[in-house]
Amino acid sequence: EPEVTQTPSHQVTQMGQEVILRCVPISNHLYFYWYRQILGQKVEFLVSFYNNEISEKSEIFDDQFSVERPDGSNFTLKIRSTKLEDSAMYFCASSVPYNEQFFGPGTRLTVL
Amino acid sequence: GENVEQHPSTLSVQEGDSAVIKCTYSDSASNYFPWYKQELGKRPQLIIDIRSNVGEKKDQRIAVTLNKTAKHFSLHITETQPEDSAVYFCAASIYGGSQGNLIFGKGTKLSVKP
Repeated sequence: EPEVTQTPSHQVTQMGQEVILRCVPISNHLYFYWYRQILGQKVEFLVSFYNNEISEKSEIFDDQFSVERPDGSNFTLKIRSTKLEDSAMYFCASSVPYNEQFFGPGTRLTVL
Repeated sequence: GENVEQHPSTLSVQEGDSAVIKCTYSDSASNYFPWYKQELGKRPQLIIDIRSNVGEKKDQRIAVTLNKTAKHFSLHITETQPEDSAVYFCAASIYGGSQGNLIFGKGTKLSVKP
């Protein structure tokens, strides 16, 4: 069964550094999402992406964040200058129109 | 924007008992309500979902009910088993006009005691 994949599984970075989190959505899916989950808390929506542009973003997704689909398979989340409070599990998800979102295994980001 | 409240935050039941988790949402335009199960350190996985044109949906031991008027929906697990122990999240979304970003509740930690 096809799955969403994410790399790396764990990323440790220093405050102020840039990080890029990578996702490979399921191949026939058209909608892509990033969510984050701070340890022990709920999953929070960051951004949705369709047709090579951002569809919606939450207030969390400020100017420090950007997303890109650099080729036909990868979907990336970039954080330009990481802060301590960016430490969280970041999940990528993908879906076909109006259907279940499939989540990737997540990237645990630790900002020191 | 949409806000989803979920209760209880923790739930402990004996194996074989039923478990009920309740959620309320604020945006009457929401029309898609999935439930996700998340085991420790793992990704959220969809266990059941319901759309606003349906009042109830069942899949083996799991059922979801939706009351659009009251803007609440509930997850029912019957004959609970130890492997049902996990954190369960409800979510609400608007499919159609927007791209369906999910707004999650805070989660319910279900513990099933053998």
